[in-house]
This record gives sequence, C-alpha cells and structure tokens, in this order.
Amino acid sequence: SAVISQKPSRDICQRGTSLTIQCQVDSQVTMMFWYRQQPGQSLTLIATANQGSEATYESGFVIDKFPISRPNLTFSTLTVSNMSPEDSSIYLCSGMNTGELFFGEGSRLTVL
Amino acid sequence: TQLLEQSPQFLSIQEGENLTVYCNSSSVFSSLQWYRQEPGEGPVLLVTVVTGGEVKKLKRLTFQFGDARKDSSLHITAAQPGDTGLYLCAGETSYDKVIFGPGTSLSVIP
Repeated sequence: SAVISQKPSRDICQRGTSLTIQCQVDSQVTMMFWYRQQPGQSLTLIATANQGSEATYESGFVIDKFPISRPNLTFSTLTVSNMSPEDSSIYLCSGMNTGELFFGEGSRLTVL
Repeated sequence: TQLLEQSPQFLSIQEGENLTVYCNSSSVFSSLQWYRQEPGEGPVLLVTVVTGGEVKKLKRLTFQFGDARKDSSLHITAAQPGDTGLYLCAGETSYDKVIFGPGTSLSVIP
C-alpha cells in the first residue's frame, strides 16, 4: 500500500484568496486523483491528475478554478482559486495502484 | 453518467446485532469496492469484488457482488462499537476512475 501525505491538513482562508494543497506519495502510483468531501458526506471526484499534462476534470469542475499539477509520479498539487465560502470542504488526494485507491487524511479548508 | 446508490443512509444499532448495507447502480462497473472512513481520516479500502456473484469474507464482514455486476452488499455479523464509521461503496469505471456512492453512516451503540 502507498502512504499519502497532504499539507496543509487544515486552513482558514479569506474570501477571494487562493490556496495550494500539496500531495506526496511515498511510492510511485499509476493514477492520482483529487476528491472533495463535505463533512459526513460522500466523495466527489474533481479531476484526474495526469503526469506532465493537463488534468482531466469532471463535470462541474474547471481548470481556472481548480488548477492541478503533477510534475512526477509521486507528487501533485491542487489550487483552489478565488475562494468563496462555498469552497469550504475537505479536499482529498488519492493514488491508485492495480485498481486500489489510497487516501491521505485530507485538507480541511474553511473560507470566511 | 454512472451513479451509485446506497441504503440505508443512516443506521444505528446495538452491539451484537447484524446489519446489511446495499449498493446499487444501473451501470456495470469493472469492480466494486467498499471503504470505511472514520472522522478526520481518509477512506480505507476494505475489499474489492470483481467477478459477478463473488463473495468475500473479512472476519465478521461479508461482501457480495451481484451476478450482473451492478450491485453489492456488505453484511456485518455481531456488530461492535469499533465498526462505527462511514461505509462507502465505490465503482471503478472503464476509464480507471473510481466514483463513490453517498455512503452509509453506521453507529454501533455499546
């Protein structure tokens, strides 16, 4: 199994600012994904982070709002741009090997 | 759009009782997975079922994949307080993405 570390683990941000979340995996994974989760609810896939190319976004998520980078097989970043209170959520990075997903503990973001 | 449904959404039972959680979809998935998530942590994979009709057991947990590979169930025998958590079914699509059901929040009361 892979161990995934995210930072920051939590942050409180002002409306209109941007925050970048970093995700580091301790071993190479074939796929990396970013999910969003409201407390007590399920996970919604934001995008697939593709190494060396633009991420593949799900319906309802756009690159201008959630730019994603993946410069190598073990690292990815998600930026939440021009934040509003509606962006308050838990953002989870995950890695996949042979169909199994591994998650970090998530980044809890509160936008005031 | 492939969607997963789960029932029940919430479940509160006494320690020692049995329970079943259901996961249904109108679509076929390459595999179905069950995850358990505790507060403040990411989901942790419990099991992956791939073959229609497949049954897997993990101690007191029994997982079943429907013959048509569109539905699955999780049965817990003699539930314990440590089983408390959010149980999520997830389907792997043909595009190597994993989408999640809405989850079942289980509370086991001592």
